[in-house]
Amino acid sequence: KAGVTQTPRYLIKTRGQQVTLSCSPISGHRSVSWYQQTPGQGLQFLFEYFSETQRNKGNFPGRFSGRQFSNSRSEMNVSTLELGDSALYLCASRLGDSNTGELFFGEGSRLTVL
Amino acid sequence: GNSVTQMEGPVTLSEEAFLTINCTYTATGYPSLFWYVQYPGEGLQLLLKATKADDKGSNKGFEATYRKETTSFHLEKGSVQVSDSAVYFCALPASGGSYIPTFGRGTSLIVHP
Repeated sequence: KAGVTQTPRYLIKTRGQQVTLSCSPISGHRSVSWYQQTPGQGLQFLFEYFSETQRNKGNFPGRFSGRQFSNSRSEMNVSTLELGDSALYLCASRLGDSNTGELFFGEGSRLTVL
Repeated sequence: GNSVTQMEGPVTLSEEAFLTINCTYTATGYPSLFWYVQYPGEGLQLLLKATKADDKGSNKGFEATYRKETTSFHLEKGSVQVSDSAVYFCALPASGGSYIPTFGRGTSLIVHP
């Protein structure tokens, strides 16, 4: 069974550009969540989707947005990139509608903003 | 709200040494408790979990016991290997109407041969 797949794995952008990251969850998983990981702030929650609906959003500016498609694949977008957006962006999927189950993480997309 | 406090790292050990990584939590009720591990260049993966008080989760030689009296879930391993070098995260699931889990800051473990 394939795991959570994130693309691209690495990318370099310059300030002011925008970026779109993609996440394909494990087959059958309908919940997808996104996290930003940095050395200084640790793991921070961005948003969570279930059946194309955003159920929670973390404390991030409006430049960070996301969506989920009918096949459960998800994308997140960051516009007007800043140097501080450099981070590892992790996607996780979960089976079912419960908010307490195990999360299955992808390997992440490492974004560097120059 | 929920919170998780983990000991700061890095924790540096020699191979075959005993490992303890402390984790305490604050939560309403008695949630499940998780330890996730992140190996270099990878995402997080579940290491072990416990679903109720006094439960012991175990996997790959690691153990953690759910202690509601001390609100702790310390991770232990009797003899670490170089391949255990990773970052370890203690975590609480979401609660109530939220879908936001709570992760500790992570503890980096470095094991030398």
